[in-house]
Amino acid sequence: EVQLVETGGGLIQPGGFLRLSCAASGFTVSSNYMSWVRQAPGKGLEWVAAIYSDGNAVHADSVKGRFTISRDNLKNTMHLQMSNLRVEDTAVYYCARTPGGGTTTIDHWGQGTLVTVSS
Amino acid sequence: QLVLTQSPSASASLGASVKLTCTLSSGHIYYAIAWHQQQAGKGPRYLMKLNSDGSHSKGDGIPDRFSGSSSGAERYLTISSLQSEDEADYYCQTWGTGVQWVFGGGTKLTVL
Repeated sequence: EVQLVETGGGLIQPGGFLRLSCAASGFTVSSNYMSWVRQAPGKGLEWVAAIYSDGNAVHADSVKGRFTISRDNLKNTMHLQMSNLRVEDTAVYYCARTPGGGTTTIDHWGQGTLVTVSS
Repeated sequence: QLVLTQSPSASASLGASVKLTCTLSSGHIYYAIAWHQQQAGKGPRYLMKLNSDGSHSKGDGIPDRFSGSSSGAERYLTISSLQSEDEADYYCQTWGTGVQWVFGGGTKLTVL
């Protein structure tokens, strides 16, 4: 069974750092396209970053230079390193899987972890 | 530019059917999309992948009441025999070179 479990959220001051993790089971992270998607309070879904099966990492313009996506193949885990956090980064952060191999749609989601940026 | 457009809200009565629409921007009418459901206070749940020819593949455990269809740039999600638990936000999603993963603005479905 495919499962995604996010951890690492919390309350952080503006300008601070936070590292989110997404532990995967039931499949191999490095063989899929893995994404972070966030949802600000009362808003819709916003793609944040992704790492492809070939290791190529891409980030949304809104977080480029501040957030970095990575993965740990041995631990079958994905991470999102967030720095210089802003109040507008407050959101629930979800990890998501896209199978790749010609498929470009997300087929599994985690339960999310809440990041609150506030002084 | 790849954009997905959804109506902000929809409503239908308990036991009735409802058809939600996701419209692809010009030049992208052959793209496949996915439909995702998000019930209040919960994370998104994958419903199905929907191709431009209307063929679709559903996620595990998705009831037969949920179906998809396509016409040109339009991608539809039809929910029949509406139940109270179908009240949720519904998002469409696709992928494009450069823009990467793209979401529609979501449709809030109210079951009357």
